[in-house]
Formats: sequence, C-alpha cells, structure tokens
Amino acid sequence: DSGVTQTPKHLITATGQRVTLRCSPRSGDLSVYWYQQSLDQGLQFLIQYYNGEERAKGNILERFSAQQFPDLHSELNLSSLELGDSALYFCASQRVGEGTEAFFGQGTRLTVV
Amino acid sequence: EDQVTQSPEALRLQEGESSSLNCSYTVSGLRGLFWYRQDPGKGPEFLFTLYSAGEEKEKERLKATLTKKESFLHITAPKPEDSATYLCAVQVDGQNFVFGPGTRLSVLP
Repeated sequence: DSGVTQTPKHLITATGQRVTLRCSPRSGDLSVYWYQQSLDQGLQFLIQYYNGEERAKGNILERFSAQQFPDLHSELNLSSLELGDSALYFCASQRVGEGTEAFFGQGTRLTVV
Repeated sequence: EDQVTQSPEALRLQEGESSSLNCSYTVSGLRGLFWYRQDPGKGPEFLFTLYSAGEEKEKERLKATLTKKESFLHITAPKPEDSATYLCAVQVDGQNFVFGPGTRLSVLP
C-alpha cells in the first residue's frame, strides 16, 4: 500500500458527460501529480500541484482541470468526455523537495461509452 | 528537450536467467532517477532512487546502477513473480517526472 488513495476505482460514463476523480496523497506530502495512461501507452503527465498551487502543466486538454484543496487532496475534473479519454488516471504524491520519490495510487479506470 | 528511453521494449527470460534493463536519459539538471515496477492495471510501485553517477541500490533480486547518461536495472536469477513492466523516470530542476516507455519483462517458469 503506497498510502495514496484514489476514488473511484472504476468509472463508466457516456460521451459528453463530466466526471471528477479524487486523490488523497500520503500524509505530509505537499505535491500531487496527475498522469494519464491509455491502453499499452506510457504515463503522460497532466498537471502538478504543490501545496494548493499549480506548479507545472503537461499535455492537459482544456476540457480537463484540476485543483488541490487546503487539506491537500486533489481532484481532476474531466468534461465533455470523448471515447478517446478512456484510460487509467493515476495520481502520485511527493514530499517536499525535488528529487524525492513519488508514490502512486492504484488509479481510476475511466471508460467512456 | 528532456528525454528518457528504455531498452529493450520487451524481454522474455527463463526463470533463473539473469539480465539487465537499460534506461538512457538526455536531461540537464538531473535531480533524481527513479525505477518503478508496474503490474497490469495497477499503479507504479516505487523501487529505487539514484542521485549521482556511480551510485548503486539493491533490493532482493534487483540492483540499480547509474552513470552520467544511463541507468541499468540488473535482475539476478529472476522468478515468474518478477514479470511486470519496469519504468524509469527522471526529475530535473523545477520539472515534473519524465517517464520512459518501459520494458515489459516476462519470466517463464
């Protein structure tokens, strides 16, 4: 158990809908990263938050947004969903300071039908 | 542009047959190099962090080493339960983690 909790584990929704994925980082970790992994693809960085502030942005679509709350949990919002958004979405948390390892949650499997 | 490549893409070994996986990186300002193991449909599981050339870390049948341009993950006498995708990632100054595409390892009994 990495200590990073993601909910829900599975999500099936229709095209055009909006969903929210939730991530609770390890206790004390200030950084949260979101990644997307499509079938047989690598991990694609979406966005990073550090102590409530957006720190870095990757190839995140405009239909996607995220935030980190004062209690440090984070939410990834996906809207106007398309079939191609079906993927595993992972969050990872990291302690203060670059160069320390990040720990991943078990992911949310999103299926858009 | 920061880049991480891994080879081979896939590797099949017999149980007990030792081998090495390669991770090559082109980055500036390396803050750390990380190895993860990922089982199908699961989140990556942290294995090792390496910081400087010459550093080595070991855990059970796995040993990770680092040079200025690449890292190796040596697997000694692997078992079927070592079958997984092994991911290499780097973090550079002020940036997120950049992951390689992974090496898919299959260990046959």
